[in-house]
Amino acid sequence: QKEVEQNSGPLSVPEGAIASLNCTYSDRGSQSFFWYRQYSGKSPELIMFIYSNGDKEDGRFTAQLNKASQYVSLLIRDSQPSDSATYLCAARFGDSGGGADGLTFGKGTHLIIQP
Amino acid sequence: KAGVTQTPRYLIKTRGQQVTLSCSPISGHRSVSWYQQTPGQGLQFLFEYFSETQRNKGNFPGRFSGRQFSNSRSEMNVSTLELGDSALYLCASSLTGGKTDTQYFGPGTRLTVL
Repeated sequence: QKEVEQNSGPLSVPEGAIASLNCTYSDRGSQSFFWYRQYSGKSPELIMFIYSNGDKEDGRFTAQLNKASQYVSLLIRDSQPSDSATYLCAARFGDSGGGADGLTFGKGTHLIIQP
Repeated sequence: KAGVTQTPRYLIKTRGQQVTLSCSPISGHRSVSWYQQTPGQGLQFLFEYFSETQRNKGNFPGRFSGRQFSNSRSEMNVSTLELGDSALYLCASSLTGGKTDTQYFGPGTRLTVL
């Protein structure tokens, strides 16, 4: 069973601090990983993607991938109240034909940034 | 560049009816994927189309079907609606649907089955 696991939260972080969101996945053959942000009543919005082991930075966001531990994380620096949302971790697993399945999503972590 | 568009945005149907949802991808994107989002199950993959061919299918019953047209626009159909089909249906487009391709979501269609 190909699964993506996230702590549902809520995760409460004071404004200006670093928010750390974590995700684990079940399949070592996973190809790529994505973080989406979803505000209540809206559709998911892509924040970052990562394919290789290590860190990838984009503005206030850093994605980290550790394939040996099957672990993906998202760090949000200088957290703002507007960052309060549900953060969805998604993985694209390989399929038996050498291609890739559709995105498999975790249930999401609800992040609250306290002013 | 315009984003992914979905129509209609809201739908109310009764059990046993069928429904067709439409999705127009970002210009130049040839892959369209469909997802169902419910509070209990989260976001689940329905199917993916590329060049008018279904390339992948999730674990949903045959009542859920889709197609893609030559202009990359896609439709999904749900027949014999059940109460449990009430959900937000999301369409996502990407350039080719490759393993590392990023998918961009439309605003979704909120389906309520009474």
